[in-house]
Amino acid sequence: GESVGLHLPTLSVQEGDNSIINCAYSNSASDYFIWYKQESGKGPQFIIDIRSNMDKRQGQRVTVLLNKTVKHLSLQIAATQPGDSAVYFCAVRTNAGKSTFGDGTTLTVKP
Amino acid sequence: DTAVSQTPKYLVTQMGNDKSIKCEQNLGHDTMYWYKQDSKKFLKIMFSYNNKELIINETVPNRFSPKSPDKAHLNLHINSLELGDSAVYFCASSQAVSTEAFFGQGTRLTVV
Repeated sequence: GESVGLHLPTLSVQEGDNSIINCAYSNSASDYFIWYKQESGKGPQFIIDIRSNMDKRQGQRVTVLLNKTVKHLSLQIAATQPGDSAVYFCAVRTNAGKSTFGDGTTLTVKP
Repeated sequence: DTAVSQTPKYLVTQMGNDKSIKCEQNLGHDTMYWYKQDSKKFLKIMFSYNNKELIINETVPNRFSPKSPDKAHLNLHINSLELGDSAVYFCASSQAVSTEAFFGQGTRLTVV
């Protein structure tokens, strides 16, 4: 099976700083990786994804990096804002369609 | 226009009761899911349906039974509720099994 873990359960950053949230996975057959953001009282919301044939993908203020050699995934948020405060999950999916979620990192942005 | 909607949002019930949670998506997606999120925010997949067919059935007690009357709906029925069933249950959908999922707002189930 797949195990997915985040390196830090909590992360506190100053507004305007960059944030990095890390995720490790175990199954080398995993081919699709997704980051979700969950605000209090809401369901997880898609942020950005990356497939195993890529090692970097950029969105608006977010970048996902994938290192398949060490089975590591990271989410970088540039110029973190108070509205970025939330729980962030990585999800790892095999081509069989099963998703395994990491435990979640709670990001707190201090003004 | 809610993409994935589930009802009720809150559900408080006594042990031993039977309850259902309904989910509907208006995105035209082929795949729907049920997830359970415990008090520590850990998200675990329970079931996945693709075109009304069950494709993922994780180790979930038989008391949980999903039903998909059509592609747009995936309901979750729970028999003989137990205290440990208390959690937030999320419905989600995706275009295919290998694309991102869109989640509903969740149903907070409290068993007393």
